[in-house]
Amino acid sequence: QKEVEQDPGPLSVPEGAIVSLNCTYSNSAFQYFMWYRQYSRKGPELLMYTYSSGNKEDGRFTAQVDKSSKYISLFIRDSQPSDSATYLCAMKKETSGSRLTFGEGTQLTVNP
Amino acid sequence: GAGVSQSPSNKVTEKGKDVELRCDPISGHTALYWYRQSLGQGLEFLIYFQGNSAPDKSGLPSDRFSAERTGGSVSTLTIQRTQQEDSAVYLCASSLVGTGGALRGYTFGSGTRLTVV
Repeated sequence: QKEVEQDPGPLSVPEGAIVSLNCTYSNSAFQYFMWYRQYSRKGPELLMYTYSSGNKEDGRFTAQVDKSSKYISLFIRDSQPSDSATYLCAMKKETSGSRLTFGEGTQLTVNP
Repeated sequence: GAGVSQSPSNKVTEKGKDVELRCDPISGHTALYWYRQSLGQGLEFLIYFQGNSAPDKSGLPSDRFSAERTGGSVSTLTIQRTQQEDSAVYLCASSLVGTGGALRGYTFGSGTRLTVV
């Protein structure tokens, strides 16, 4: 069983929709949570990170963490065609130094 | 440099041949990572360098895989006697060291797309 599970999609939504992307994890040792965005044939780039349960907002993006359920989400409001990409969740244990564990990634397409 | 540079961007090789993949990290980033990305697997950790040493190489899938880093800068990932299952995108990333560095985000290169035929 993978430590981090993420539905690979694909997910297709109309422009302006609210998008919800999710990951679950099995190891309570994960303490830090990140979302990366990856455009086609590019490396992933960091969108947001958080280390506590609750919500963190940055513009149209909201990251949500529920440690009791071992569940994290990324919400995108007013989605744009430029948001079309693969979104990967990533997590870090306190004891893992700088090493991250990534989900498989969800492929999102926002249609104009 | 301004970003993480990887070369070559694409590599097609015959089964059984050796390949070398190169990564040039951001100047000043002491931590360097290699990941492998294949369909259905997500990003799979291979090895982590802190400076020139590799405190965590637990993700290397077999002894055909090796990596080195010299001068605290450029890193080379070598795959010997390539197999078809080695086909994937190999991503290199760099960051500052420690939790803060990891949380501020890795900077990834665009990857080397390896195809073994």
